[in-house]
Amino acid sequence: EAGVTQFPSHSVIEKGQTVTLRCDPISGHDNLYWYRRVMGKEIKFLLHFVKESKQDESGMPNNRFLAERTGGTYSTLKVQPAELEDSGVYFCASSQDSYHSGNTIYFGEGSWLTVV
Amino acid sequence: DQQVKQNSPSLSVQEGRISILNCDYTNSMFDYFLWYKKYPAEGPTFLISISSIKDKNEDGRFTVFLNKSAKHLSLHIVPSQPGDSAVYFCAASDGLDQGGSEKLVFGKGTKLTVNP
Repeated sequence: EAGVTQFPSHSVIEKGQTVTLRCDPISGHDNLYWYRRVMGKEIKFLLHFVKESKQDESGMPNNRFLAERTGGTYSTLKVQPAELEDSGVYFCASSQDSYHSGNTIYFGEGSWLTVV
Repeated sequence: DQQVKQNSPSLSVQEGRISILNCDYTNSMFDYFLWYKKYPAEGPTFLISISSIKDKNEDGRFTVFLNKSAKHLSLHIVPSQPGDSAVYFCAASDGLDQGGSEKLVFGKGTKLTVNP
């Protein structure tokens, strides 16, 4: 069974450009999460989807970030326009049900974003 | 304001000995705690968790201890193996109660090196 897949694995863009990150969760997982780790800092929550609905988007830093999950399958995270401080690793994770029920959250390998 | 703190950025132990990784938190609403392990260029992998109603949870070589009054938890690895060398993240959430958030709040991580 495939794990959480993220694309691209690495991206270098100029300040002001747009980047779209994609996440394919494990098949059948209703819960999808986006996290971000800026260099040297902790991993921070961005948002949580349950199927196609945004359950919690309290971690989204500003309106330059837009996440979607059309059809409740894969998700995209768009940064437009990108700023230097957006550089970091963007992790996607998924779980079949709430991890509080004992379900494991599986993380992808991350998408490294460098804004120059 | 960091709610989950891992004050030791690194730890080095000898193979076969015990590794103790520490984590402190400030938010008394946290009721579920997790440890993740991360290898370079990979996403975090779930290791072990504990709810606030327990003070200890064990899984093979890994044991997590929770001291709620001190707002402190620790991960013990016995015996340590070279393959355990990785960055270990402590994470917490306040979502066990109905209506709580699913988001995880991470510490900055501790890099464990197990020397052969």
